[in-house]
Amino acid sequence: AQSVTQLGSHVSVSEGALVLLRCNYSSSVPPYLFWYVQYPNQGLQLLLKYTSAATLVKGINGFEAEFKKSETSFHLTKPSAHMSDAAEYFCAVSPSGAGNMLTFGGGTRLMVKP
Amino acid sequence: EAGVTQFPSHSVIEKGQTVTLRCDPISGHDNLYWYRRVMGKEIKFLLHFVKESKQDESGMPNNRFLAERTGGTYSTLKVQPAELEDSGVYFCASSQGHQSYEQYFGPGTRLTVT
Repeated sequence: AQSVTQLGSHVSVSEGALVLLRCNYSSSVPPYLFWYVQYPNQGLQLLLKYTSAATLVKGINGFEAEFKKSETSFHLTKPSAHMSDAAEYFCAVSPSGAGNMLTFGGGTRLMVKP
Repeated sequence: EAGVTQFPSHSVIEKGQTVTLRCDPISGHDNLYWYRRVMGKEIKFLLHFVKESKQDESGMPNNRFLAERTGGTYSTLKVQPAELEDSGVYFCASSQGHQSYEQYFGPGTRLTVT
């Protein structure tokens, strides 16, 4: 069985500040891990994914995430927030086999203050 | 290349009525997934098609939900009869062949049952 916990349903940062969105997972098998972003009135867009290669994963729009097996974490970071980063972010896990369902966390809504 | 499309974008129906949601995956994608997000909750898996066959329908809530994928192309999800707790956003996603773990999501259908 798998589960994902995202700490903080709402996170607010100032423009230019560090963005840190937390994700912890549990999985009985080696996981694949994903971060998705949903902008208003749009579908989910893949930001980045970890599939057992490099533990530091770089994604689109300057985001990156680090897989830490010992902490069962996959936190999402961005050094400097932009107003356009305001959206809802979802962490998801899939067992390490292709074509499997995603298990999502509850989502974190990121607000960026000018 | 066209992305995953879903129709309608919004649907408001009364309790007891029937609603059919449609998903058109990316052309050539064998895997098609349905997910649902009830307000305030996490996105949850409903079912997975590989071509026209149901690979995994463990997330379907009950027998009021019927999913089909005609000829391995588009898919429909019928809710009959609808109940208040069926309200939420229904997402469709698709991915390529057996080795693909990157799912592409549609914009979702927001279903409101009154």
